[in-house]
Amino acid sequence: GNSVTQMEGPVTLSEEAFLTINCTYTATGYPSLFWYVQYPGEGLQLLLKATKADDKGSNKGFEATYRKETTSFHLEKGSVQVSDSAVYFCALTDNYGGSQGNLIFGKGTKLSVKP
Amino acid sequence: EAGVTQFPSHSVIEKGQTVTLRCDPISGHDNLYWYRRVMGKEIKFLLHFVKESKQDESGMPNNRFLAERTGGTYSTLKVQPAELEDSGVYFCASSQLSGGRTEAFFGQGTRLTVV
Repeated sequence: GNSVTQMEGPVTLSEEAFLTINCTYTATGYPSLFWYVQYPGEGLQLLLKATKADDKGSNKGFEATYRKETTSFHLEKGSVQVSDSAVYFCALTDNYGGSQGNLIFGKGTKLSVKP
Repeated sequence: EAGVTQFPSHSVIEKGQTVTLRCDPISGHDNLYWYRRVMGKEIKFLLHFVKESKQDESGMPNNRFLAERTGGTYSTLKVQPAELEDSGVYFCASSQLSGGRTEAFFGQGTRLTVV
């Protein structure tokens, strides 16, 4: 079945450091890929997404490229800020069917950025 | 516009008791989803409503869990009787019903602790 594997945390970085959170997936067909973020005390928010191979999702300085050949969707940011401290979830959904839903999530990676 | 709202934000109950979680989706969203994150593990899909109908309840763990969405508006998730392994964060999400992959918006979650 479909699954998502992301790097275990927690990840602790200094401000302005480069961030990579690895995410690989297993899926039949052609899934859509997502990164969600959960800031302290808040709900899950969609950070970025990509719906087909070679698409790059980007938002708030974060980027991730849908790599079908390596079944990966790694999250990157060139210079993190303290405000980026949160838990990041990689997820996919099957593209067959109706509306987006039935997301399959990774375990989440907690990021802490120190000033 | 109000987002997805979940009540309560926290609940602590004893094993064997009953708890009811509520989710108010974004107005006009016909899709409603329940997910659960057990500590340290993935966020797992529980079920999906389209309006008042259960589209997919394949993720419901057992018959102690009952979800309803009377009238196609808010939804409740009842756990009766609660067991220790039911502890976790329960997320609700909603999205518009359309032919494409519309974004699912998540609530803040209900943290359930069974002692």
